[in-house]
Amino acid sequence: DGGITQSPKYLFRKEGQNVTLSCEQNLNHDAMYWYRQDPGQGLRLIYYSQIVNDFQKGDIAEGYSVSREKKESFPLTVTSAQKNPTAFYLCASSIGTGPTDTQYFGPGTRLTVL
Amino acid sequence: AQSVTQPDIHITVSEGASLELRCNYSYGATPYLFWYVQSPGQGLQLLLKYFSGDTLVQGIKGFEAEFKRSQSSFNLRKPSVHWSDAAEYFCAVGAKSNYQLIWGAGTKLIIKP
Repeated sequence: DGGITQSPKYLFRKEGQNVTLSCEQNLNHDAMYWYRQDPGQGLRLIYYSQIVNDFQKGDIAEGYSVSREKKESFPLTVTSAQKNPTAFYLCASSIGTGPTDTQYFGPGTRLTVL
Repeated sequence: AQSVTQPDIHITVSEGASLELRCNYSYGATPYLFWYVQSPGQGLQLLLKYFSGDTLVQGIKGFEAEFKRSQSSFNLRKPSVHWSDAAEYFCAVGAKSNYQLIWGAGTKLIIKP
Protein backbone atom coordinates (compact mmCIF):
# COMPACT_ATOMS: atom_id res chain seq x y z
CA ASP A 1 0.00 0.00 0.00
CA GLY A 2 1.21 3.46 -0.83
CA GLY A 3 1.45 6.01 1.89
CA ILE A 4 3.49 8.13 4.22
CA THR A 5 5.16 6.82 7.33
CA GLN A 6 6.51 8.86 10.19
CA SER A 7 8.66 7.62 13.02
CA PRO A 8 8.75 7.54 15.90
CA LYS A 9 5.14 8.09 16.94
CA TYR A 10 6.26 9.57 20.27
CA LEU A 11 9.58 11.25 20.96
CA PHE A 12 10.96 12.68 24.15
CA ARG A 13 13.84 15.09 24.16
CA LYS A 14 15.88 16.70 26.85
CA GLU A 15 16.53 20.39 26.57
CA GLY A 16 19.63 21.14 24.54
CA GLN A 17 19.40 18.01 22.42
CA ASN A 18 18.83 17.79 18.71
CA VAL A 19 16.35 15.19 17.50
CA THR A 20 15.47 13.95 14.02
CA LEU A 21 12.00 12.99 12.90
CA SER A 22 11.67 10.58 10.02
CA CYS A 23 9.29 10.89 7.08
CA GLU A 24 9.17 8.39 4.23
CA GLN A 25 6.74 8.17 1.31
CA ASN A 26 6.26 5.57 -1.40
CA LEU A 27 3.75 7.55 -3.43
CA ASN A 28 6.38 8.74 -5.91
CA HIS A 29 5.51 12.32 -5.01
CA ASP A 30 7.93 15.10 -5.84
CA ALA A 31 6.85 17.51 -3.12
CA MET A 32 7.12 17.00 0.62
CA TYR A 33 6.23 19.19 3.57
CA TRP A 34 6.70 19.49 7.32
CA TYR A 35 4.04 21.10 9.46
CA ARG A 36 3.81 21.86 13.14
CA GLN A 37 0.48 21.59 14.93
CA ASP A 38 -0.25 23.15 18.31
CA PRO A 39 -3.56 22.88 20.18
CA GLY A 40 -6.16 25.35 18.94
CA GLN A 41 -4.08 26.36 15.94
CA GLY A 42 -4.06 25.39 12.34
CA LEU A 43 -1.09 23.80 10.71
CA ARG A 44 2.00 25.93 10.28
CA LEU A 45 4.51 25.19 7.57
CA ILE A 46 8.09 24.59 8.67
CA TYR A 47 9.82 23.54 5.45
CA TYR A 48 8.84 22.20 2.07
CA SER A 49 10.69 20.54 -0.77
CA GLN A 50 9.61 20.57 -4.40
CA ILE A 51 12.28 18.21 -5.62
CA VAL A 52 15.27 16.19 -4.47
CA ASN A 53 18.19 18.28 -3.17
CA ASP A 54 16.05 21.38 -2.91
CA PHE A 55 13.99 22.75 -0.02
CA GLN A 56 12.56 26.05 1.09
CA LYS A 57 11.76 27.63 4.43
CA GLY A 58 8.16 27.94 5.47
CA ASP A 59 6.67 30.34 7.98
CA ILE A 60 8.36 28.95 11.11
CA ALA A 61 11.69 27.48 9.97
CA GLU A 62 13.81 28.92 12.78
CA GLY A 63 15.27 26.17 14.95
CA TYR A 64 14.60 23.45 12.39
CA SER A 65 16.59 21.90 9.56
CA VAL A 66 15.79 19.42 6.79
CA SER A 67 17.44 17.47 4.03
CA ARG A 68 16.13 15.90 0.83
CA GLU A 69 18.74 13.49 -0.47
CA LYS A 70 16.22 10.96 -1.73
CA LYS A 71 12.82 11.42 -3.28
CA GLU A 72 11.19 9.17 -0.69
CA SER A 73 12.67 10.74 2.41
CA PHE A 74 12.43 14.16 4.07
CA PRO A 75 13.78 14.07 7.64
CA LEU A 76 13.28 16.99 9.99
CA THR A 77 15.80 17.89 12.70
CA VAL A 78 14.58 19.88 15.64
CA THR A 79 17.61 21.68 16.97
CA SER A 80 18.35 23.05 20.42
CA ALA A 81 17.76 26.50 18.95
CA GLN A 82 14.03 25.81 18.74
CA LYS A 83 12.69 27.50 21.86
CA ASN A 84 9.43 25.65 22.24
CA PRO A 85 9.60 22.38 20.33
CA THR A 86 6.87 20.47 22.15
CA ALA A 87 4.23 19.91 19.46
CA PHE A 88 2.70 17.46 17.02
CA TYR A 89 4.65 17.26 13.76
CA LEU A 90 3.04 16.24 10.51
CA CYS A 91 4.72 15.30 7.27
CA ALA A 92 2.87 15.50 3.98
CA SER A 93 3.53 14.90 0.32
CA SER A 94 1.92 15.81 -2.99
CA ILE A 95 2.57 15.15 -6.64
CA GLY A 96 3.68 18.75 -7.11
CA THR A 97 3.31 22.07 -5.35
CA GLY A 98 0.50 23.40 -7.48
CA PRO A 99 -2.60 24.65 -5.68
CA THR A 100 -4.66 21.72 -6.94
CA ASP A 101 -2.19 19.09 -5.82
CA THR A 102 -3.72 17.31 -2.87
CA GLN A 103 -1.48 16.89 0.15
CA TYR A 104 -1.42 13.48 1.78
CA PHE A 105 -0.44 13.27 5.43
CA GLY A 106 1.45 10.87 7.59
CA PRO A 107 0.22 9.86 11.06
CA GLY A 108 2.41 12.38 12.87
CA THR A 109 5.09 12.43 15.56
CA ARG A 110 4.42 13.89 18.98
CA LEU A 111 7.54 15.51 20.39
CA THR A 112 7.78 16.35 24.06
CA VAL A 113 10.65 18.23 25.64
CA LEU A 114 11.37 17.12 29.17
CA ALA B 1 -3.24 38.64 3.11
CA GLN B 2 -4.97 35.31 2.80
CA SER B 3 -6.68 33.97 5.88
CA VAL B 4 -9.09 31.25 6.89
CA THR B 5 -11.53 31.50 9.78
CA GLN B 6 -13.36 28.63 11.40
CA PRO B 7 -15.56 30.48 13.88
CA ASP B 8 -16.50 27.47 15.99
CA ILE B 9 -13.78 25.90 18.15
CA HIS B 10 -16.13 23.13 19.30
CA ILE B 11 -19.48 21.89 18.06
CA THR B 12 -21.61 19.29 19.80
CA VAL B 13 -24.20 17.39 17.76
CA SER B 14 -26.45 14.48 18.62
CA GLU B 15 -25.91 11.29 16.70
CA GLY B 16 -28.21 11.24 13.70
CA ALA B 17 -28.58 15.02 13.59
CA SER B 18 -27.42 17.20 10.74
CA LEU B 19 -24.12 19.05 10.81
CA GLU B 20 -22.75 22.25 9.37
CA LEU B 21 -19.20 23.44 10.00
CA ARG B 22 -18.38 26.96 8.95
CA CYS B 23 -15.37 28.17 7.03
CA ASN B 24 -14.77 31.72 5.83
CA TYR B 25 -11.79 32.77 3.81
CA SER B 26 -10.16 35.99 2.76
CA TYR B 27 -8.54 35.94 -0.64
CA GLY B 28 -8.66 38.27 -3.62
CA ALA B 29 -8.81 35.79 -6.44
CA THR B 30 -10.53 32.47 -6.97
CA PRO B 31 -9.46 30.24 -4.12
CA TYR B 32 -8.80 26.54 -4.05
CA LEU B 33 -10.65 25.15 -1.04
CA PHE B 34 -10.16 22.01 0.99
CA TRP B 35 -11.68 20.27 3.98
CA TYR B 36 -9.58 17.77 5.93
CA VAL B 37 -10.47 15.62 8.93
CA GLN B 38 -8.15 14.56 11.73
CA SER B 39 -8.95 11.78 14.16
CA PRO B 40 -7.31 12.07 17.59
CA GLY B 41 -3.54 11.60 17.40
CA GLN B 42 -3.63 10.95 13.67
CA GLY B 43 -2.70 12.65 10.44
CA LEU B 44 -5.13 14.52 8.24
CA GLN B 45 -7.34 12.97 5.59
CA LEU B 46 -8.83 14.89 2.68
CA LEU B 47 -12.64 14.99 2.76
CA LEU B 48 -13.26 17.10 -0.33
CA LYS B 49 -11.94 19.94 -2.42
CA TYR B 50 -13.22 22.69 -4.68
CA PHE B 51 -11.33 24.17 -7.57
CA SER B 52 -13.99 25.28 -10.05
CA GLY B 53 -17.31 24.32 -11.56
CA ASP B 54 -20.30 23.13 -9.57
CA THR B 55 -20.26 24.97 -6.27
CA LEU B 56 -21.66 21.99 -4.36
CA VAL B 57 -19.00 19.33 -3.99
CA GLN B 58 -19.36 15.82 -2.66
CA GLY B 59 -16.71 14.17 -0.58
CA ILE B 60 -16.01 10.98 1.25
CA LYS B 61 -17.92 9.67 4.27
CA GLY B 62 -21.14 11.38 3.16
CA PHE B 63 -19.84 14.94 3.50
CA GLU B 64 -20.52 17.79 1.13
CA ALA B 65 -19.53 21.44 1.00
CA GLU B 66 -20.86 24.47 -0.80
CA PHE B 67 -18.74 27.29 -2.15
CA LYS B 68 -20.46 30.66 -1.87
CA ARG B 69 -18.36 33.37 -3.44
CA SER B 70 -20.62 36.20 -2.28
CA GLN B 71 -20.17 35.12 1.33
CA SER B 72 -16.54 33.96 1.02
CA SER B 73 -17.61 30.73 2.61
CA PHE B 74 -17.06 27.03 2.12
CA ASN B 75 -19.19 25.33 4.75
CA LEU B 76 -19.07 21.59 5.33
CA ARG B 77 -22.31 19.66 5.81
CA LYS B 78 -23.53 16.19 6.58
CA PRO B 79 -27.22 15.25 6.81
CA SER B 80 -26.83 12.71 9.61
CA VAL B 81 -23.73 12.33 11.77
CA HIS B 82 -22.40 9.07 13.17
CA TRP B 83 -20.36 8.62 16.33
CA SER B 84 -17.35 7.84 14.13
CA ASP B 85 -17.48 11.40 12.76
CA ALA B 86 -16.13 12.73 16.06
CA ALA B 87 -12.85 14.36 15.04
CA GLU B 88 -11.31 17.71 14.28
CA TYR B 89 -12.08 19.32 10.95
CA PHE B 90 -9.81 21.75 9.14
CA CYS B 91 -10.57 24.09 6.28
CA ALA B 92 -7.70 25.22 4.06
CA VAL B 93 -7.28 27.64 1.18
CA GLY B 94 -4.74 27.49 -1.61
CA ALA B 95 -3.83 30.13 -4.14
CA LYS B 96 -3.03 29.77 -7.80
CA SER B 97 0.03 31.95 -7.34
CA ASN B 98 1.84 29.87 -4.76
CA TYR B 99 2.22 26.45 -3.25
CA GLN B 100 1.16 27.17 0.29
CA LEU B 101 -2.07 26.17 1.95
CA ILE B 102 -3.47 28.52 4.56
CA TRP B 103 -5.16 26.60 7.34
CA GLY B 104 -8.01 27.39 9.67
CA ALA B 105 -7.61 26.67 13.38
CA GLY B 106 -9.97 23.71 13.21
CA THR B 107 -13.36 22.78 14.65
CA LYS B 108 -13.63 19.89 17.06
CA LEU B 109 -16.80 17.89 16.53
CA ILE B 110 -18.28 16.13 19.55
CA ILE B 111 -21.06 13.60 19.05
CA LYS B 112 -23.66 13.09 21.79
CA PRO B 113 -25.11 9.59 21.97
